[in-house]
Amino acid sequence: DTEVTQTPKHLVMGMTNKKSLKCEQHMGHRAMYWYKQKAKKPPELMFVYSYEKLSINESVPSRFSPECPNSSLLNLHLHALQPEDSALYLCASSRQGSHEQYFGPGTRLTVT
Amino acid sequence: KNQVEQSPQSLIILEGKNCTLQCNYTVSPFSNLRWYKQDTGRGPVSLTIMTFSENTKSNGRYTATLDADTKQSSLHITASQLSDSASYICVVSAIGNTPLVFGKGTRLSVIA
Repeated sequence: DTEVTQTPKHLVMGMTNKKSLKCEQHMGHRAMYWYKQKAKKPPELMFVYSYEKLSINESVPSRFSPECPNSSLLNLHLHALQPEDSALYLCASSRQGSHEQYFGPGTRLTVT
Repeated sequence: KNQVEQSPQSLIILEGKNCTLQCNYTVSPFSNLRWYKQDTGRGPVSLTIMTFSENTKSNGRYTATLDADTKQSSLHITASQLSDSASYICVVSAIGNTPLVFGKGTRLSVIA
């Protein structure tokens, strides 16, 4: 299995809602990443998990809360988002120490 | 500052024609360079990965070149197809535990 899966594919939420994005991989990768991508822009790194521990937080607002419950799963909990948070959220994984990241298909998030 | 610049920003070509996309980088110390294809609203898919010692790498109709001395890379697409319409992103890694550096991408449109 050389695939990173993400659910849901699309999500529409209000500014008072709480929702979660999920990411899963079974390649044995011990590094997992969350990116945010606005239209016609490159992905922007949000968080990096290494061996299930948060290793990089790129000054992301606290309304985004990552969680890595085990080596195969990565969640992104969302609460009190703003319309400007609408974007494509990409999950990626890699072998520890490798820069070759495998990306998931993304979750298209719309905040109303 | 580590940067990746891509050109052109966008490109329209006729089906069956060839095209070449350019990538210049200032990332140092250089580890490797990847070209990704990203369909609209989807996650990036890796086309090629090249290290310092590699000059050329092919993947079907895609051929990437790397000149580590001038810090330039190109992606050549042969006999383009309508399905090649996508954004092509150049991504460069530095040695060490540092985030990937993404170019802004070239938006390619192949028309019949």
